[in-house]
Parts: sequence; structure tokens; C-alpha cells
Amino acid sequence: DTGVSQDPRHKITKRGQNVTFRCDPISEHNRLYWYRQTLGQGPEFLTYFQNEAQLEKSRLLSDRFSAERPKGSFSTLEIQRTEQGDSAMYLCASSLRTVGTDTQYFGPGTRLTVL
Amino acid sequence: AQSVTQLDSQVPVFEEAPVELRCNYSSSVSVYLFWYVQYPNQGLQLLLKYLSGSTLVKGINGFEAEFNKSQTSFHLRKPSVHISDTAEYFCAVRGEGAQKLVFGQGTRLTINP
Repeated sequence: DTGVSQDPRHKITKRGQNVTFRCDPISEHNRLYWYRQTLGQGPEFLTYFQNEAQLEKSRLLSDRFSAERPKGSFSTLEIQRTEQGDSAMYLCASSLRTVGTDTQYFGPGTRLTVL
Repeated sequence: AQSVTQLDSQVPVFEEAPVELRCNYSSSVSVYLFWYVQYPNQGLQLLLKYLSGSTLVKGINGFEAEFNKSQTSFHLRKPSVHISDTAEYFCAVRGEGAQKLVFGQGTRLTINP
């Protein structure tokens, strides 16, 4: 099994620009999650998908953030009009829905720096 | 809602010494508990998890954790650490019926030779 992959690994952008990140989950995993981690903190949940349906969004996910998973496989996270406060590591995780509870496996993350 | 408190932000220990990283949680429903490790500039790797059954859980790299429901704790232990264990460790909780993980702020484990 290849793990969760994310692209790009690093992104530097200027304030006000739009950015898009991609996440490819573990093959056949039907759940996909996005988290944000700022320096010195634990990850915070942003949103999750089951197949192509976005089932939960955190209040952290402002109107400038949008996530999609159009075919139930890879997902994209777009941030419009970036702000310096958006600088963080964006982590993607995937899991396979099973009886009981499923385990989330994380990708390497995309580190965003907004200048 | 759930919350997690990791009681120590940093833990320095000498190589081959034992270590315990403390984690307490709060929840109004039953929970599942996890420990993840994060090496510099990398994502999170699952160390171990408690779902049900035996309260002593063994994970990778010689780590183990014990679920204590009465004390709402899930402390992580290793009897003898190595330099390669230097990393950030995160405790996480997931409430029954929920999907999101709620993480603590992390504990930085530093191993001194």
C-alpha cells in the first residue's frame, strides 16, 4: 500500500493570492479528512468526506476555504485571498469505513507560508 | 464535545531511560484514543490506539499506553528510549459516533545521550 500523498509539500505565496492543495488518499479508502496545524499546536479538524460527500465542516473553515472530492478519490483544498494567518501545515488523512471505528492515516502535509 | 490535555509540553530524558508522556481527556460519550508521533517536517504516524477490550495497548517502536477510564487518562510509556525517539507526540481522542480527531497540543520528547 502506498500511503497518503500530498502536493505540493511546500507553498510560498503572497497575501491575497489563491492557493490549491491536492491530497491522494490510500487506495480504496472511502473517508478523507483535512486538518490544519499551526506552529507548536496539535492538528485541528477542518472537514471530512465520505466518498464524494462532504459530511462535516469545522467553523474554522471560513468562506475563503473550499474543499472538494469530485470522484470520491483525490481531494483538493483551495484557499482564496490568502491571509498571513493562513500560514500553517495542512494535513490530509484517509481511512476505510469499517464496523467499529476506522483509523486515520496521515500524509506528509503541505506547508503554506503567506508573505 | 471532546478535549485533550497533554500535561507536559517538553520532556527531556537520557538515552535508555524510561519515559512517560501524559494525556488526559474529557468527553460526555465513550471515546477511542490514539497516540501519533510526528518527526520534523513530516506528517503524523500512528503509534497505537485503544478502541475497546484490554486497557493496556502495545504499539510500534516499543511504546505502550494504558487506558484508565476512571482517571480519564491514556498515558504513553516506553521502558528504554533511543535517540531516534526524538519527536513530537500527540494524543488524540475521537468520540463515539464522531469522525474527527481532537488532538492535544503535543509533547516534545528530547533524548539526551
